[in-house]
Amino acid sequence: NAGVTQTPKFQVLKTGQSMTLQCAQDMNHEYMSWYRQDPGMGLRLIHYSVGAGITDQGEVPNGYNVSRSTTEDFPLRLLSAAPSQTSVYFCASSYSGLAGTTGELFFGEGSRLTVL
Amino acid sequence: AQKVTQAQTEISVVEKEDVTLDCVYETRDTTYYLFWYKQPPSGELVFLIRRNSFDEQNEISGRYSWNFQKSTSSFNFTITASQVVDSAVYFCALRMNTGFQKLVFGTGTRLLVSP
Repeated sequence: NAGVTQTPKFQVLKTGQSMTLQCAQDMNHEYMSWYRQDPGMGLRLIHYSVGAGITDQGEVPNGYNVSRSTTEDFPLRLLSAAPSQTSVYFCASSYSGLAGTTGELFFGEGSRLTVL
Repeated sequence: AQKVTQAQTEISVVEKEDVTLDCVYETRDTTYYLFWYKQPPSGELVFLIRRNSFDEQNEISGRYSWNFQKSTSSFNFTITASQVVDSAVYFCALRMNTGFQKLVFGTGTRLLVSP
């Protein structure tokens, strides 16, 4: 049972470098999202998608891009990494993110990113 | 605005003690969902429970129980006879039922259970 798979689990970048965090789910979930976790701040929503071809911004979208070309994949791109993006990133999915559904989120194992 | 407050940053108990993790939420919506997630030292987030705003029945699952009180906007989590394996960070989260839904997380409570 793969569930939500994130890669890489650890990454160190230099300021200004770009990279992509990969997220894949095999549960045929419509809704996928990215959160970042920082000490003392809980988890904050970066971007989300309610289906292939549809994405939108969350609470802290600046510095990140996303796309959703397939139901299964939802990569998160850092175009020019900054030290403020040092964090643990979680990808999550659920059957639906729409109103009227309970939408329990299933999380990946997280990706720890350090930007020097 | 929606907000979740977990005032307890860290709690330390000795094994077999009971412990309650507090969660207070704010929302103007009448329909919403509350969640608890566990994050063990390995880092993954594990779903524990979901409760909708129309169901104020308390729930018990083994050593875990949840007390939902709309009158005080609280959704507290009690672990009875704590065990070392309960050591983790616990997050309470709120989800609305209007438009697109997202989880609003509290800042988490770190529970340390020592033998």
